[in-house]
Amino acid sequence: AQKVTQAQTEISVVEKEDVTLDCVYETRDTTYYLFWYKQPPSGELVFLIRRNSFDEQNEISGRYSWNFQKSTSSFNFTITASQVVDSAVYFCALNPRDSSYKLIFGSGTRLLVRP
Amino acid sequence: GAVVSQHPSWVICKSGTSVKIECRSLDFQATTMFWYRQFPKQSLMLMATSNEGSKATYEQGVEKDKFLINHASLTLSTLTVTSAHPEDSSFYICSARFKEAGANVLTFGAGSRLTVL
Repeated sequence: AQKVTQAQTEISVVEKEDVTLDCVYETRDTTYYLFWYKQPPSGELVFLIRRNSFDEQNEISGRYSWNFQKSTSSFNFTITASQVVDSAVYFCALNPRDSSYKLIFGSGTRLLVRP
Repeated sequence: GAVVSQHPSWVICKSGTSVKIECRSLDFQATTMFWYRQFPKQSLMLMATSNEGSKATYEQGVEKDKFLINHASLTLSTLTVTSAHPEDSSFYICSARFKEAGANVLTFGAGSRLTVL
């Protein structure tokens, strides 16, 4: 089965706190891509990161960091020193290599950062 | 960067009418585009893959005659919701594939919110 699970439906933090959004995926494929997207209240999907299944290096981009653990099929996303503008729904997605680049989305995690 | 434009961004229509949503790749050619549907506070579900010059490939459970997809050029795919009903009210998002640094990347449009009265 091809599936993405985001167990956290909603997270609320106070500004400047660190927060980690969990993502667990299932796939039979040995080659695949993982993504994180941000969906602010306006609705558009903002691309954050793409990770190839062969690249297990963790990545940091400013206040954002991602931890890819193939052994546990997880691709977690951490926001350091959260800001109110980080409030949005965050989606983790899987692109199995043999599926013509269709994305399988998790159910999303709604993040609320309070001032 | 690659930009995908959707139009209209929101539309309200009466039950029984048809509504067309456009998805354009502005600065690149997209042989393949994807149409997703998102109900309020839910995830995105792939409806169909739009292929330039050929028929769209629909996901299981999606009515082909209800959701007509046309991909007549390398920069435009359209989704027509025929005989729309209130249960078709949803947020429709398209995406397109382009190459960046040799890798395939997906970029999404801003979405079109359909409300059927």
